[in-house]
Amino acid sequence: AQSVTQLDSQVPVFEEAPVELRCNYSSSVSVYLFWYVQYPNQGLQLLLKYLSGSTLVKGINGFEAEFNKSQTSFHLRKPSVHISDTAEYFCAALNFNKFYFGSGTKLNVKP
Amino acid sequence: NAGVTQTPKFQVLKTGQSMTLQCAQDMNHNSMYWYRQDPGMGLRLIYYSASEGTTDKGEVPNGYNVSRLNKREFSLRLESAAPSQTSVYFCASSGQVNSPLHFGNGTRLTVT
Repeated sequence: AQSVTQLDSQVPVFEEAPVELRCNYSSSVSVYLFWYVQYPNQGLQLLLKYLSGSTLVKGINGFEAEFNKSQTSFHLRKPSVHISDTAEYFCAALNFNKFYFGSGTKLNVKP
Repeated sequence: NAGVTQTPKFQVLKTGQSMTLQCAQDMNHNSMYWYRQDPGMGLRLIYYSASEGTTDKGEVPNGYNVSRLNKREFSLRLESAAPSQTSVYFCASSGQVNSPLHFGNGTRLTVT
C-alpha cells in the first residue's frame, strides 16, 4: 500500500533562515507528489506538484521541492522563511486516483 | 469563485445521533473525496467518488456512508455518531486525471 512519511512533526526556525521539510514515500509504481499548506482553521492549499519532467519543482511563496526517485523522497525547501510561513505542511502522493497524505509538519517561524 | 463549499462549519452531536455533512463544488470536477483530519495523523481518506454515480471506500470508511447526488454534490452521513468520530472533516475535488485536490474549509465535528 502507498504510504507517505513526514519525518518531522515540528520544525522551529528563525525568520530569514533556510528550511527543509522532509517527505518520503513508498511505492513500486509511478507516483505523483504534492505539497500542501494549511493555515489555522482553513483548508489545505496546493504549494507545488510533481507529475513528471524536471525533478526540481518550484511552487508558490518561494517554496521548491526536489523529487529523488532513488531515495523515494520529495523534500520541501525555502531559502529564507518569513513569519507568514508559519503553518502546517502536508506531503501527499497520488496513486490510482487516491491521494495519500503524510502526518504533517508544523513549521514555526520565530522572529 | 466559490470552489468547494462545505456545510456546516461546526457541529456538536451526542452519541448515537445522526447527521449529514454537505459538500458542493462548482469547478465541474469529476472526482470528489471525504477526508478526516486528526492531530498527528494527517488526512485519512474516508470515501471517494471517481465520477458521478460511483463511490468507493477509502482507508477509514467504517461508521460512514456517502452519496454522490450529482456531479456537484457529495455528502457524508454519520448514521450513529460515536466519540471516535470527533474530527475535522474535509471535502475535496479533483478535475482531470492526476490533477491536484481542491479543498473546502472543513467541518469541525464534536461528538459527546
